Amino acid sequence: GQSLEQPSEVTAVEGAIVQINCTYQTSGFYGLSWYQQHDGGAPTFLSYNALDGLEETGRFSSFLSRSDSYGYLLLQELQMKDSASYFCAVSGSARQLTFGSGTQLTVLP
Amino acid sequence: SQTIHQWPATLVQPVGSPLSLECTVEGTSNPNLYWYRQAAGRGLQLLFYSIGIGQISSEVPQNLSASRPQDRQFILSSKKLLLSDSGFYLCAWSAPGLSQETQYFGPGTRLLVL
Repeated sequence: GQSLEQPSEVTAVEGAIVQINCTYQTSGFYGLSWYQQHDGGAPTFLSYNALDGLEETGRFSSFLSRSDSYGYLLLQELQMKDSASYFCAVSGSARQLTFGSGTQLTVLP
Repeated sequence: SQTIHQWPATLVQPVGSPLSLECTVEGTSNPNLYWYRQAAGRGLQLLFYSIGIGQISSEVPQNLSASRPQDRQFILSSKKLLLSDSGFYLCAWSAPGLSQETQYFGPGTRLLVL
C-alpha cells in the first residue's frame, strides 16, 4: 500500500517563503503531485515531479528525491490568497493517486 | 477547453434513502474518471475509477456503487445511505491512457446524511 506524511498546519506571513514537506512509502512509484484546495472548493493541480530535482512554476516550486522518498512544495512571495490546504499525492503501481491528509497553510498579514 | 460538472452541489438525505450523484465532462474523449470522498479536514479517499464505458474499479468496499453509462458520464449511487456516507464527494478526470497523475476536479457535492 501507500502512505504519505505531511505537516497538518503551517503558518507564515505575507511575502515570506514556506516549504511544505511530504514523505511517502509506496510499493511502486511513478511520481509526486501537489494539489491546492481552498476552503469549500475543489482541489486544483499545482505540479508533478516524476524525476529527481526541482520544478518551478512561477512562485511555486516542487522538489523530489526518489532515493529519500521525499518531496516538498516551496511557495515564495506568499500572498493572502495562498491560504489553503495543500495535498501531496503519489502515483504508485496502480497508476492512481493516493493523497496525503493535507497541510493547512495560513498566511498572516 | 475541458469542463467538469457535478450536481447537485449540496444534498441532505435521511439514513436509508437512495443516492444518485452525477458527473459529466465536456471537451475531451475517453477520459479516466474518478470518484473521491473527503471527510471534513481530511484527505481524499479514492472510491471508484473508470478507464472506459462500463469499466469500473472499486477501491473501497462499501455500500456505494458507480456506473459509467456514457463516455463522459460518471454516476455514484447508493441504495441505502448510512450516516458514515456524509462527506464531500468529488468527481475528477484525467487524460486517457496512463497519465493519471494530473487530475482535474469538479466542484463537488456536499452530502449530509441525517
